[in-house]
Amino acid sequence: DAKTTQPTSMDCAEGRAANLPCNHSTISGNEYVYWYRQIHSQGPQYIIHGLKNNETNEMASLIITEDRKSSTLILPHATLRDTAVYYCIVGGGSQGNLIFGKGTKLSVKP
Amino acid sequence: GAGVSQTPSNKVTEKGKYVELRCDPISGHTALYWYRQSLGQGPEFLIYFQGTGAADDSGLPNDRFFAVRPEGSVSTLKIQRTERGDSAVYLCASSSGSPSETQYFGPGTRLLVL
Repeated sequence: DAKTTQPTSMDCAEGRAANLPCNHSTISGNEYVYWYRQIHSQGPQYIIHGLKNNETNEMASLIITEDRKSSTLILPHATLRDTAVYYCIVGGGSQGNLIFGKGTKLSVKP
Repeated sequence: GAGVSQTPSNKVTEKGKYVELRCDPISGHTALYWYRQSLGQGPEFLIYFQGTGAADDSGLPNDRFFAVRPEGSVSTLKIQRTERGDSAVYLCASSSGSPSETQYFGPGTRLLVL
């Protein structure tokens, strides 16, 4: 079973920040938090990952709480092309495979 | 550079037939993963290769499913005696090696068993 819980769906207005939450209260000390997204009919696309510290790249920012039991993915200026299912995954460490949940379906609206 | 590629992009077969799905990982990536995604669900892990050997095949649903990676690069997922329940998108991912390295996914093969 997935080690994360996410809201089923969220809406966001175009141009606004999209903040996608994820709970992972059973995360182990050596496990990373990964975020992927999947646009309809495509393979999952890597967004960002982190262990303890907050991370930022050209796509998004990842905020991880100090106790590492939850995190938030931030898309600073959402566009219509950001409409997708976003998966928060806890993994890496000593186990290679990723365990996906159902993700959050983000709809960016004009 | 080239990403992960998968062929065919779509495959339609009849119940009971044998199919092979191919994955070309990113050049130099030693780890290769197969996942299966049913409609409305997230991808489910099938098997993981490190080099030529299967490091973890715990996700294969039964003995009709088999995968090989003979030269440590291209991998083939083989399904014998296909069943309608095997219909899904089969995804391949590769990474540079250690379990914590980022996995990059291909576009998938859509398998439909009639």
